[in-house]
Amino acid sequence: SQELEQSPQSLIVQEGKNLTINCTSSKTLYGLYWYKQKYGEGLIFLMMLQKGGEEKSHEKITAKLDEKKQQSSLHITASQPSHAGIYLCGADPTAGGTSYGKLTFGQGTILTVHP
Amino acid sequence: NAGVTQTPKFRVLKTGQSMTLLCAQDMNHEYMYWYRQDPGMGLRLIHYSVGEGTTAKGEVPDGYNVSRLKKQNFLLGLESAAPSQTSVYFCASSYPHYEQYFGPGTRLTVT
Repeated sequence: SQELEQSPQSLIVQEGKNLTINCTSSKTLYGLYWYKQKYGEGLIFLMMLQKGGEEKSHEKITAKLDEKKQQSSLHITASQPSHAGIYLCGADPTAGGTSYGKLTFGQGTILTVHP
Repeated sequence: NAGVTQTPKFRVLKTGQSMTLLCAQDMNHEYMYWYRQDPGMGLRLIHYSVGEGTTAKGEVPDGYNVSRLKKQNFLLGLESAAPSQTSVYFCASSYPHYEQYFGPGTRLTVT
């Protein structure tokens, strides 16, 4: 089965600093999803990556999927307190989306941003 | 649109009691999922459904049953609750091959 390892497990930064969260897979990634979760709430979809080398951005958050499709990174530029929360990566383990969306998730990265 | 809603939001059960968690979505999604989230373990899939009247087991199905009699609803049942089922439960739904939308979660404590 596929396993996802996120690093770091937790991160504390000063407002305005840049940061990167990594998601490494034990197998090839065919679909990689990034979600954000605020404490006590559900997950909010951020971005989905499917192709090796693909990069997507939304506001100050950029996600990349490496060429070999076994690692993804999430980069936040000029962090703000509103970026604080838990970031989770989720992966589709099969090519062609035949897994019926059964995602495997990493354990999450807790981000704290101090004003 | 309300999106994905879950009831109840909180529940405390005694060992051996039963309960049903309700998930409803108003986006006409084909796929629906039940996950549990435990500290340090991320989200783990309990059961899922790819359409009305169909259900299938996920990674951690033991102790749970599900039903999807209507396309918009997905029910998760605990027949005899155990302390190991203390967790936060999330429901999600999606179109095939698209991102999942999550509900706000149900925090369950079994004493």
